[in-house]
Order: sequence, then C-alpha cells, then structure tokens
Amino acid sequence: SYVLTQPPSVSVAPGQTARITCGGNNIGSKSVHWYQQKPGQAPVLVVYDDSDRPSGIPERFSGSNSGNTATLTISRVEAGDEADYYCQVWDSSSDQVVFGGGTKLTVL
Amino acid sequence: QVTLRESGPALVKPTQTLTLTCTFSGFSLSTSGMCVSWVRQPPGKALEWLALIDWDDDKYYSTSLKTRLTISKDTSKNQVVLTMTNMDPVDTATYYCARTRVAMVRGVIVGNWFDPWGQGTLVTVSS
Repeated sequence: SYVLTQPPSVSVAPGQTARITCGGNNIGSKSVHWYQQKPGQAPVLVVYDDSDRPSGIPERFSGSNSGNTATLTISRVEAGDEADYYCQVWDSSSDQVVFGGGTKLTVL
Repeated sequence: QVTLRESGPALVKPTQTLTLTCTFSGFSLSTSGMCVSWVRQPPGKALEWLALIDWDDDKYYSTSLKTRLTISKDTSKNQVVLTMTNMDPVDTATYYCARTRVAMVRGVIVGNWFDPWGQGTLVTVSS
C-alpha cells in the first residue's frame, strides 16, 4: 500500500516561513492535497492539486510537488496558523485515499 | 453554500453495528464529479479514510475495513449513510463526512480532495 510520510512536528517563529514535507514514492506523479486542522475543529482544505488554493485561503499558503516530496509552504507565519497539517493523495493503483500521519505546526 | 452534517449514536456497544448519516446541502450527488466520503479520526491520532460514493453510485472502501463497511446514498434526501459492523473500542473516533471532488481521466479517478467537511460526530465504543 502507498505510504505518505510527514515529520511529526515543525516549529517556526512568527513572520518566518514554514515548510512541511510529505514524502512518498514518486509522489510527483500524483496530485497532492493539504488540510489544516485546528484543535477541536474539522479539517479545512488549504491547497489542492499540488498548488491551487481554494477561495478564502490566504496567498501565504502555497504548495509544490516533485520527485518523492511534496511541500506545503506557509509564508509570513502567524500565530493563527498553529495547527495540524495533513497531506493526502489518491492511489489509483489500489483505489485508495491515503493520508499522511500529520504534522503539528508550532508557532514559537 | 455547501454544508454537511453527520448524525448518529454517540455511544455503541462492542459487536454492534454503527449507522451514521451525512445530510448535506448546496450540491447534488447526481451531478457528475460529485462524491461524498467518510473519514474518521481516533482521539489524538491521524485522519483515516473509510469510504467514498460517487454520483454514479460507484463505491470505494478502505482495504483494511472493507469487509465491515457499507456506504449508500439517497439522492432525493441529500443523504449518505455509512454502516460499520462489529464495532470495537478501537473504532472510537470522530467520524466526518466530506464533499469529495474528483479528477477523472477516461472514466477513471486519478485524484480527489475533500472540501468542505462536516463538523464531525464523536462515536465511543464501550460496554
């Protein structure tokens, strides 16, 4: 089965740039989607199809995907960005949705 | 505005069958490209996908839970129902439904994403 690997935690100071990675075998050949989940809330889509943003998501959120790593980049990090972030793909070889294990973003 | 809301029992006993209903508005499940999925999240743990049903009534299930899951839809009521048999304490989780958009190539799903999600419903399995 296809596996997505995320670092358990990432820390960044306010105003700096946070980069959260999502590793998978040849993930660059798949479309990657990212979700933000704050404590006690449902997940929210922040990036889809590698790098597109849904309406209402700040331009500070961006994504890239190449080779074996996809990356969610959050520029000018704010305290309100502190949350868990999950990457997700569709594995067409098995018709399965796959989520990464999640990364907790801490704003110092 | 698209909204989804999960409903069902908050507490089930081991070995019982769980039935959850997702009631949605703002879109139609008879529209090509529209789907609804179920995702769960045990307390303090990661998201786990369970099942997906599409506009054409095709169904997809998590390989690890396939034998216990059934997903169905009632387009006229704007509802999707998930049943999970033989519940166990490890199935304690918040269960979410989400509208699912798909990318298709020659009739085959090549990608999908969840937007938006319902608020979730906590299901505890305990005797």
